[in-house]
Amino acid sequence: QVTLKESGPGILQPSHTLSLTCSFSGFSLSTYGMGVSWIRQPSGKGLEWLASIWWNGNTYNNPSLKSRLTVSKDTSNNQAFLKVTSVDTADTATYYCAHTPGTGREFDYWGQGVMVTVSS
Amino acid sequence: DVVLTQTPPTLSATIGQSVSISCRSSQSLLHSNGNTYLHWLLQRPGQSPQLLIYLVSRLESGVPNRFSGSGSGTDFTLKISGVEAEDLGLYYCVQGTHAPYTFGAGTKLELK
Repeated sequence: QVTLKESGPGILQPSHTLSLTCSFSGFSLSTYGMGVSWIRQPSGKGLEWLASIWWNGNTYNNPSLKSRLTVSKDTSNNQAFLKVTSVDTADTATYYCAHTPGTGREFDYWGQGVMVTVSS
Repeated sequence: DVVLTQTPPTLSATIGQSVSISCRSSQSLLHSNGNTYLHWLLQRPGQSPQLLIYLVSRLESGVPNRFSGSGSGTDFTLKISGVEAEDLGLYYCVQGTHAPYTFGAGTKLELK
């Protein structure tokens, strides 16, 4: 059974760096084809894909956020990480991680989401 | 980036009614490998999104067969044959053929 759970700071100040962790079970990020994606959703708005990391360490970020995103993983501890630098109020959102198996069944399992507020 | 246009933005239905949601892409979603990476998600109020349909028409495990997907190229449709109360929420199409992944703006299904 695949499960994912996001964790993060809850609130942080503008210009700071947001660090999020996705802890998962039921699959391994060392298995061929596996990936984890990060997606966010501002309150009352739609979904925005941010980044994905794959079993082989390859990553892909949404170009709209330029170089502000860094994704990484700790395979032995079944975790994936997202860092967003220089946050501002526009980064206030619920952040989700999602299982991305690379078989065509993309985003087949989602975490519960973690709400992040950027405020001074 | 690929733009996915969902219509209608809001859909009012009675229980038992059949409804359809359209998702149109700004470019063909047929991948060079022959797959079409167009999927449908449902986000119930206060919940995370869940996968309903993947690769245009394949039903995700555990999803009732009143849900069906169809389409090709740039035009796709999600149909619910007999809406039930648990189907209320926001429906999103998402494409993975062309990087970056993009989502439609969503269609809200509500009770009439």
